[in-house]
Amino acid sequence: GENVEQHPSTLSVQEGDSAVIKCTYSDSASNYFPWYKQELGKGPQLIIDIRSNVGEKKDQRIAVTLNKTAKHFSLHITETQPEDSAVYFCAAPHNTDKLIFGTGTRLQVFP
Amino acid sequence: ETGVTQTPRHLVMGMTNKKSLKCEQHLGHNAMYWYKQSAKKPLELMFVYNFKEQTENNSVPSRFSPECPNSSHLFLHLHTLQPEDSALYLCASSQTLLRGGGTDTQYFGPGTRLTVL
Repeated sequence: GENVEQHPSTLSVQEGDSAVIKCTYSDSASNYFPWYKQELGKGPQLIIDIRSNVGEKKDQRIAVTLNKTAKHFSLHITETQPEDSAVYFCAAPHNTDKLIFGTGTRLQVFP
Repeated sequence: ETGVTQTPRHLVMGMTNKKSLKCEQHLGHNAMYWYKQSAKKPLELMFVYNFKEQTENNSVPSRFSPECPNSSHLFLHLHTLQPEDSALYLCASSQTLLRGGGTDTQYFGPGTRLTVL
């Protein structure tokens, strides 16, 4: 079945620096890769997603890149701010129906 | 905030109790999901409903019983739970299933924090 690995599990950066979180997946048929942000006491919220027909997608300070050959995708956050502190999850579909989530990355942005 | 509400937000129950979790989505979506989120483990999909019909049961023990009376409401009935069932239970909805190829983004509710004593 689909296996999604996410690294690192924790990431601490200084405000203004960039943060990169990486995920790998195993199902070569996967074609949709969302990233979710979960703040304390809240459910995960979609922040960006990418489909397999593009290699990169940007939304202001957030970007996602996809390498289908290597089966990995990454989340890039530039000019980090304290409010970016949260747990971030990547996901990939399995059997085109279920989303399999990574184990999460706790990002801390220090002022 | 996301259009998906869950009640209660917190629940403490004994192993012999029976309780229910409720989820409601105001987005006009057709698919609804239950997930379990435990510490240091990935989100685990439990059940999927599409147009009120169950399409996925991810080998969930029978002490968890889902109910989907319509596309807007989803319940999770709990009975004779174990302490290891303590977790955050998340509900989500999407316009279609992933296989539908449409707007399949999943929107999550805030979750119910369940503690089983």
